[in-house]
Amino acid sequence: DGGITQSPKYLFRKEGQNVTLSCEQNLNHDAMYWYRQDPGQGLRLIYYSQIVNDFQKGDIAEGYSVSREKKESFPLTVTSAQKNPTAFYLCASSITGGSYEQYFGPGTRLTVT
Amino acid sequence: AQKVTQAQTEISVVEKEDVTLDCVYETRDTTYYLFWYKQPPSGELVFLIRRNSFDEQNEISGRYSWNFQKSTSSFNFTITASQVVDSAVYFCALRSFQKLVFGTGTRLLVSP
Repeated sequence: DGGITQSPKYLFRKEGQNVTLSCEQNLNHDAMYWYRQDPGQGLRLIYYSQIVNDFQKGDIAEGYSVSREKKESFPLTVTSAQKNPTAFYLCASSITGGSYEQYFGPGTRLTVT
Repeated sequence: AQKVTQAQTEISVVEKEDVTLDCVYETRDTTYYLFWYKQPPSGELVFLIRRNSFDEQNEISGRYSWNFQKSTSSFNFTITASQVVDSAVYFCALRSFQKLVFGTGTRLLVSP
């Protein structure tokens, strides 16, 4: 079955540690995205990539980094510079261009204490 | 600037009631796309519908229907004969270029 995989579902880290969230898709989509969701709020775009080896900052990129070395993979690193990293992180992918909808993974809930 | 407003934070209905979720958007683009997503308790967003700015036809899919009105910048979503499984958070979103702008969501609680 085609889809988006995010692992793990729950992640716990100590403050000051970097942590990398995994996102893999087998939908053959060129574009991939990372969103952050806080309680009672909509999704906010962190980074997006339209093609391998290229990515752009979204609305809240500070304290995050990404890489896009393979079409299928778009890992997100939450660095120690992110002041409030505890949140629900969602990865998505889509066909590039036009009006194509984004398809989402199951999300990773990150808790930093 | 793009903006999506979902003024209803939470709606509670009893099963079999009809319910309408409101979505009002702002954009200066002449070409844009609107979406509705469902987020069940599991957390994953499920795509429901896409509508482009040139197509104001209403759409019906089973118990779901959507009313797009450019004159009022609204894209409302109606669930007919609601069921407990419809309980979720519903997001309206507006797309410009490659970015989706989401509303804050409406939590729908359907009780038996």
